[in-house]
Amino acid sequence: AQSVTQPDIHITVSEGASLELRCNYSYGATPYLFWYVQSPGQGLQLLLKYFSGDTLVQGIKGFEAEFKRSQSSFNLRKPSVHWSDAAEYFCAVDQGAQKLVFGQGTRLTINP
Amino acid sequence: GAVVSQHPSWVICKSGTSVKIECRSLDFQATTMFWYRQFPKQSLMLMATSNEGSKATYEQGVEKDKFLINHASLTLSTLTVTSAHPEDSSFYICSASSGAEAFFGQGTRLTVV
Repeated sequence: AQSVTQPDIHITVSEGASLELRCNYSYGATPYLFWYVQSPGQGLQLLLKYFSGDTLVQGIKGFEAEFKRSQSSFNLRKPSVHWSDAAEYFCAVDQGAQKLVFGQGTRLTINP
Repeated sequence: GAVVSQHPSWVICKSGTSVKIECRSLDFQATTMFWYRQFPKQSLMLMATSNEGSKATYEQGVEKDKFLINHASLTLSTLTVTSAHPEDSSFYICSASSGAEAFFGQGTRLTVV
């Protein structure tokens, strides 16, 4: 069965510092991968997605992610975080027909 | 991007009553909609897949008689939590598939007292 692992439950970074959130997946075929952000009590906002092609994907709010098949990873990065980036981040893989399996989530805290 | 509207955003109900949550695709037709559940500080877990005009497919461990799903049109799916109990309190999120991508509603916070 497909699965997604986000090893880091909680990460704290200083404002202006770079960020990398890890995501590893288990999937037999070429995966469709997603990163979502969720603010407290809110729904999900899509940051970026990978379906095929260029393995470095650009998203909204200055985020990017790199698909590495050899490592089964799809890590999310941002060169310089802002206080407004504090939120919960979820990595997900499409099981087929847009049915998503989510990782456990990583809570991001930003220090001023 | 496509818009999915979920209503209500939050609801409080008494134990033993039923609550209906609506999920609407506003600017596209969704033959398939999904219902997820999220407990506090946890991830989203798929509850069921809702297909227009047919019975929903429930994930293992989800009680179909408790969580009634109706997908009567290409733009509306409803989730009814029947005989709600405090342990049903959770955040429920729907997504609607355009065929190429799924779009999420803003979620419904259900509190059963």
